[in-house]
Amino acid sequence: ILNVEQSPQSLHVQEGDSTNFTCSFPSSNFYALHWYRWETAKSPEALFVMTLNGDEKKKGRISATLNTKEGYSYLYIKGSQPEDSATYLCASSSGSARQLTFGSGTQLTVLP
Amino acid sequence: DVKVTQSSRYLVKRTGEKVFLECVQDMDHENMFWYRQDPGLGLRLIYFSYDVKMKEKGDIPEGYSVSREKKERFSLILESASTNQTSMYLCASSLFSGNTIYFGEGSWLTVV
Repeated sequence: ILNVEQSPQSLHVQEGDSTNFTCSFPSSNFYALHWYRWETAKSPEALFVMTLNGDEKKKGRISATLNTKEGYSYLYIKGSQPEDSATYLCASSSGSARQLTFGSGTQLTVLP
Repeated sequence: DVKVTQSSRYLVKRTGEKVFLECVQDMDHENMFWYRQDPGLGLRLIYFSYDVKMKEKGDIPEGYSVSREKKERFSLILESASTNQTSMYLCASSLFSGNTIYFGEGSWLTVV
């Protein structure tokens, strides 16, 4: 995988549902994996930065896991709320330059 | 609180005009970045800077230049705006390479 890929591109869930999405990234020379939440008319906001294989991070109802050997990360949202509606971006960095390469995002809509 | 400020939120410019997009951060961060966001393409890095008067090309530098005369300020310059530069531009900063990136709220540029 040369690029950072996210799936699905968009999804709609009902309030109260749990959901998850995927980020795939190049596993060679990996340095860090970032998740950001981007609400409409606001700045992207950092959720998690993960560096170690097997890392799990949690913030309230949102959690993320990391597999650096196979090059993927999952973001989970438990009991989705309308305020969770946003675009979720992941980005990976690798090598000595450590510049972030972003995926195109997953647009989540939580219906009340 | 971390603050990245983009002075112009919405601009309409004519083809061939010179355009300046200004960005200021108040966190004494070493690194500053300019990205553009286009539907389906994710955030793409235009230029970044690791230090005052220092700049590096990102993935899509053609048609752009940058200036960093002071640590807190990073300007994106379109020497001769073209319609394919119509986009949303995001400025960002980070303390060190690979650290969490903090974003501004974006500048919507339309070139007619």
